[in-house]
Amino acid sequence: KAGVTQTPRYLIKTRGQQVTLSCSPISGHRSVSWYQQTPGQGLQFLFEYFSETQRNKGNFPGRFSGRQFSNSRSEMNVSTLELGDSALYLCASSPRLAGDHEQYFGPGTRLTVT
Amino acid sequence: AQSVTQLGSHVSVSEGALVLLRCNYSSSVPPYLFWYVQYPNQGLQLLLKYTSAATLVKGINGFEAEFKKSETSFHLTKPSAHMSDAAEYFCAVTLSGGYQKVTFGTGTKLQVIP
Repeated sequence: KAGVTQTPRYLIKTRGQQVTLSCSPISGHRSVSWYQQTPGQGLQFLFEYFSETQRNKGNFPGRFSGRQFSNSRSEMNVSTLELGDSALYLCASSPRLAGDHEQYFGPGTRLTVT
Repeated sequence: AQSVTQLGSHVSVSEGALVLLRCNYSSSVPPYLFWYVQYPNQGLQLLLKYTSAATLVKGINGFEAEFKKSETSFHLTKPSAHMSDAAEYFCAVTLSGGYQKVTFGTGTKLQVIP
């Protein structure tokens, strides 16, 4: 099976812009979770989607949003970008809810905000 | 709520020496525990998981971890370090039951000295 794919791999945006990141889970996986990874904060949970519904949400401002499509592909959107949003954004998929099973991670999207 | 603490953000070992990476968790109910590894410019990969079966869990690449309820610990060990083990290691905890988010530790970077 193909692994988790994320597009784009690298992205440079300007402060104030918005960005959309995409994640395609492993075939048959219904859960997609998003994480923000930074050197200072480590891995921070953003949200989890399962069967097109948001099941869990981390402590991020409303500028961070996501959605999941019927084919389980997920997108994450960040509006009004700030310099502090520069990070590696990781997507992880799981056949069941992430709290019940191990997760399979994609390679990440490296977002740089200037 | 659950939390996880990884002692030591950086650990150095000589090639062939014992690897010991520490993880302590806090959980109000029986947890699920995971160790993931992240190589440079890649996503996370599952090393092993504990889900309330055997307390000694064997994973990939010769790693194992022991769940000790009395010490609330889940330390990762490998008898003999290899150069290819140099990476960042993350301990993660979630609560059994599915509708729980996964909490990651801050990570430990392992350096293997030839």
